[in-house]
Amino acid sequence: GEDVEQSLFLSVREGDSSVINCTYTDSSSTYLYWYKQEPGAGLQLLTYIFSNMDMKQDQRLTVLLNKKDKHLSLRIADTQTGDSAIYFCAGSRGSQGNLIFGKGTKLSVKP
Amino acid sequence: GAGVSQSPSNKVTEKGKDVELRCDPISGHTALYWYRQSLGQGLEFLIYFQGNSAPDKSGLPSDRFSAERTGGSVSTLTIQRTQQEDSAVYLCASSIAGTGLQPQHFGDGTRLSIL
Repeated sequence: GEDVEQSLFLSVREGDSSVINCTYTDSSSTYLYWYKQEPGAGLQLLTYIFSNMDMKQDQRLTVLLNKKDKHLSLRIADTQTGDSAIYFCAGSRGSQGNLIFGKGTKLSVKP
Repeated sequence: GAGVSQSPSNKVTEKGKDVELRCDPISGHTALYWYRQSLGQGLEFLIYFQGNSAPDKSGLPSDRFSAERTGGSVSTLTIQRTQQEDSAVYLCASSIAGTGLQPQHFGDGTRLSIL
């Protein structure tokens, strides 16, 4: 079945760029997603990329997809303390689209 | 517009009791998903509803878990004879269509604690 892997922690300084990486095993995932979770809250959809795209940019967020290597990354430019959260990578599975999540990367932003 | 609404936000109950968790999806969304988030297992898919079709229950961990969706809208997840390992955050999500081609929007979850 699908497996999604992420590094567990990332620490950056305010103003720097953050890059969160993800690898997945199921090449049939139609969409790949990035969700953000703040303490005590649900999952906030940040962005998503269709599997036939290489890159998607949305304000401070850039998603890169290397389908050959099954590697997905999320770059956050000019990282702010409010970006501190857990970031989940997820792939959709099958025709119904239930999501397979990575374990999440905890991003800590130091002032 | 209103997002996915879940209630209660927190639930504490004794082992062996039954619990019901409610999800009110975004209006017009035909697909509804339940997930469970626990420290040991991360985020796991539980069950999926699409319109009037039979639900996909393949993620339910045991027969103590069941869910229904009435009128194609509100869904209730029921856990019978709760066990301590059921303690987790239960998240509900909805999407316009359950085809994998539309993003899922999540509620804030119900934090379930079994004493």
